[in-house]
Amino acid sequence: DTGVSQDPRHKITKRGQNVTFRCDPISEHNRLYWYRQTLGQGPEFLTYFQNEAQLEKSRLLSDRFSAERPKGSFSTLEIQRTEQGDSAMYLCASSFGQTNTGELFFGEGSRLTVL
Amino acid sequence: AQSVTQLDSQVPVFEEAPVELRCNYSSSVSVYLFWYVQYPNQGLQLLLKYLSGSTLVKGINGFEAEFNKSQTSFHLRKPSVHISDTAEYFCAVRTLNSGGSNYKLTFGKGTLLTVNP
Repeated sequence: DTGVSQDPRHKITKRGQNVTFRCDPISEHNRLYWYRQTLGQGPEFLTYFQNEAQLEKSRLLSDRFSAERPKGSFSTLEIQRTEQGDSAMYLCASSFGQTNTGELFFGEGSRLTVL
Repeated sequence: AQSVTQLDSQVPVFEEAPVELRCNYSSSVSVYLFWYVQYPNQGLQLLLKYLSGSTLVKGINGFEAEFNKSQTSFHLRKPSVHISDTAEYFCAVRTLNSGGSNYKLTFGKGTLLTVNP
């Protein structure tokens, strides 16, 4: 296991379509995070899981967004009825709870373009 | 709520020159501090972190940063940059609430470092 993997790396969709992104964290990491990054901005926190429990959601996560981590391993982020403003890089990160240093390990991101 | 300000959105420098990327944070509680680097079309990679102890921390690729609690700053420095250091650099903070349950990082907007020959 070499790191956090995200799929797909790029997604182009038409406005109104649904899209789903998948994240596979580092295998022993129990915490998983989703961030959104737009051009010229730093990563913005969306949501966070500890094992399968979703413990925090940002106000940025509108009701069109839903994230799951059903078995405490991989996670999915679904965006329904996409809008052009959803175009961004969606980053997944994971961390290991036992060390508690807060360091996050990031995947390479899934870039979404909504036409 | 915590926040991070990176004062320079872009920093152009010549190869082998020194560089400092500035970061200030705002938090009413103790913090952990981080610098991440993002190369084009890649994810974020940790450069260094401050958790406690010595205020001068050393990271990968010759970078170092100094934590200044009174000025709430965590500036990143490198004495001599290379072309390969061209990338976006992000400062991030994690607050340490009394319950220790806040694990997310809050990021600044980033500083694009461009190293020219």
